[in-house]
Amino acid sequence: LAKTTQPISMDSYEGQEVNITCSHNNIATNDYITWYQQFPSQGPRFIIQGYKTKVTNEVASLFIPADRKSSTLSLPRVSLSDTAVYYCLVGVNAGGTSYGKLTFGQGTILTVHP
Amino acid sequence: EAGVTQSPTHLIKTRGQQATLRCSPISGHTSVYWYQQALGLGLQFLLWYDEGEERNRGNFPPRFSGRQFPNYSSELNVNALELEDSALYLCASSRPTSFSSYNEQFFGPGTRLTVL
Repeated sequence: LAKTTQPISMDSYEGQEVNITCSHNNIATNDYITWYQQFPSQGPRFIIQGYKTKVTNEVASLFIPADRKSSTLSLPRVSLSDTAVYYCLVGVNAGGTSYGKLTFGQGTILTVHP
Repeated sequence: EAGVTQSPTHLIKTRGQQATLRCSPISGHTSVYWYQQALGLGLQFLLWYDEGEERNRGNFPPRFSGRQFPNYSSELNVNALELEDSALYLCASSRPTSFSSYNEQFFGPGTRLTVL
């Protein structure tokens, strides 16, 4: 079971780039890394997922080094509305007959200031 | 496309009672996941159902149980409620596990369970 560790909180200002790192030393070969965003009183929302190297979509980038023991979520030019809790998730992508537990990190509270 | 729906929105019970929470996945999704989010804590994985079968279970006592129906909707049952069961219970769904290499989960708004 891959345990994840994230910073408890981070502060930033509007327009800055924010990088949140998640450590997952015991990641398994077939585990994917997924990041979710959660606003108060709402369910989490998928941001990005990757397996190795770099993945980019319209809202974020995900950097995964070769050893895959960590990953970094990068949010370009954050705004006040990006204030939320960000969760790192490591788990088996159910593409075969083996399934693993899905584990969220403790979450990082990102606060964006004006 | 309708999202994941959960009912009820709020549920108040007393210690020792049973609670039943319901979840309807997005149309076409066959996997349903249940999570517990206690106040000030992160999401704790509870259960994972796929094609009507329990695929995985988190570190919770047996009084937490559930099932998935033929239409892929799901129920979470919590027996012998304890005060510490008070939490937001979130349901998520994903596409068939053999359909895509990605396992993106779409979450519902949650059921707030309060145990008095």
